[in-house]
Amino acid sequence: QVHLVESGGDLVKPGGSLRLSCAASGFTFSDYYMSWIRQAPGKGLEWVSYISNSGSTIYYADSLKDRFTVSRDNAKNSVYLQMNSLKDEDTAVYYCARGGGSGRGFFDNWGQGTLVTVSS
Amino acid sequence: EIVLTQSPGTLSLSPGERATLSCRASQSVSSNYLAWYQQKPGQAPRLLIYGASSRATGIPDRFTGSGSGTDFTLTISRLEPEDFAVFYCQQYGSSPRTFGQGTKVEIK
Repeated sequence: QVHLVESGGDLVKPGGSLRLSCAASGFTFSDYYMSWIRQAPGKGLEWVSYISNSGSTIYYADSLKDRFTVSRDNAKNSVYLQMNSLKDEDTAVYYCARGGGSGRGFFDNWGQGTLVTVSS
Repeated sequence: EIVLTQSPGTLSLSPGERATLSCRASQSVSSNYLAWYQQKPGQAPRLLIYGASSRATGIPDRFTGSGSGTDFTLTISRLEPEDFAVFYCQQYGSSPRTFGQGTKVEIK
């Protein structure tokens, strides 16, 4: 079955950087868009970014596109989120999810999430 | 950006009762590309409904999605103990993808 495992979450100081990874298994990874969604403590869901199956189409939430970069390696069945210039408000659980693309923009499988804490 | 507003914020009901959750969009959702998710404490969200009314794999038929345009509804016909959770709607008719703020269904 579909399995998504995020890693890379950590405690980081404001202004720092972090790279999250998501390893996928149980499906043909190169056939699917992948997305990142985050959830601040006690808050709702916030969509962050999606990347097309080939990596040629990428979209970010407007408030994040200058600091976050999504990428994927289909040979490794993995998607990544590079986060730079981190702020306190970036503190959240970051989920990777399958989906996000045109016509199939819902998220049918989610990882368990990885916690990013931005604090001095 | 399409803003989704969910109501009510909290719904207090007893097992066996019917739950009706609303999701209103700030503009029409293209092709009724609206999904619903359930999230329990400490867990990742789970897809319930996509395309406004199609149940995801393995979702019981007590969960029904309806609506079109700007007004959408998730109905749980008879609440089971395991249904109490937070529910989110999400639109994917346009980018950026957006979520509603959530409705908590709690035990009365």
